Amino acid sequence: QVPLVESGGGVVQPGGSLRLSCVASGFAFSGFGMHWVRQAPGKGLEWVAFIRFDGFYKFYADSVKGRFTTSRDNSNNTLYLQMSSLTSEDTAVYYCAKDQLRYDPEAFDIWGQGTMVTVSS
Amino acid sequence: DIQLTQSPSFLSASVGDRVTITCRASQGISSYLAWYQQKPGTAPKLLIYAASTLQSGVPARFSGSGSGTEFTLTLNNLQPEDFATYYCQQLSRYPRTFGQGTKVEIK
Repeated sequence: QVPLVESGGGVVQPGGSLRLSCVASGFAFSGFGMHWVRQAPGKGLEWVAFIRFDGFYKFYADSVKGRFTTSRDNSNNTLYLQMSSLTSEDTAVYYCAKDQLRYDPEAFDIWGQGTMVTVSS
Repeated sequence: DIQLTQSPSFLSASVGDRVTITCRASQGISSYLAWYQQKPGTAPKLLIYAASTLQSGVPARFSGSGSGTEFTLTLNNLQPEDFATYYCQQLSRYPRTFGQGTKVEIK
């Protein structure tokens, strides 16, 4: 079983919207904070968003604030990233990643395989 | 935001070499630093957390050190499977920034 599996990527027109999903298995999903990290083609890693284990705290990168929303459904072990007002700058592979510890900021110990989002007309 | 600057951005090395990558933070982050390895087409893999703690299952030829603003990742006895891109990441504050990456290629 793959611990994190993203889906929902695809080609979307500028200004459009897309929702990514990340299904978790093999660990207590509801006990850990989750992140979204993206990587534009040929570029480095960019942290995008965080949601605490209970969904009550969220943080976003300035580059996506006001356009992206992350949420989670702990009953279905699923993390979401709702993306809107997309531009070509959002074209990237999007990874979900798990916090190693529940409370202390230590590292992202499990990553999904990524899902590609292409913003193009 | 906390900026992380890795050096070098690219290095060429041979199997068996020892290589060192440096990561400098724009402000103090205590030991809230992790290192990841990424190979083309795959997700990053956690190597080291808390600046110097080796993640379970990672070979002991990898080591990390540092605190505050300066950190290093050392790869001893470089193996063919170690040729990849390496990223540092700070977990002291949001946003959780990454360094720009260091690509290690075969000489």
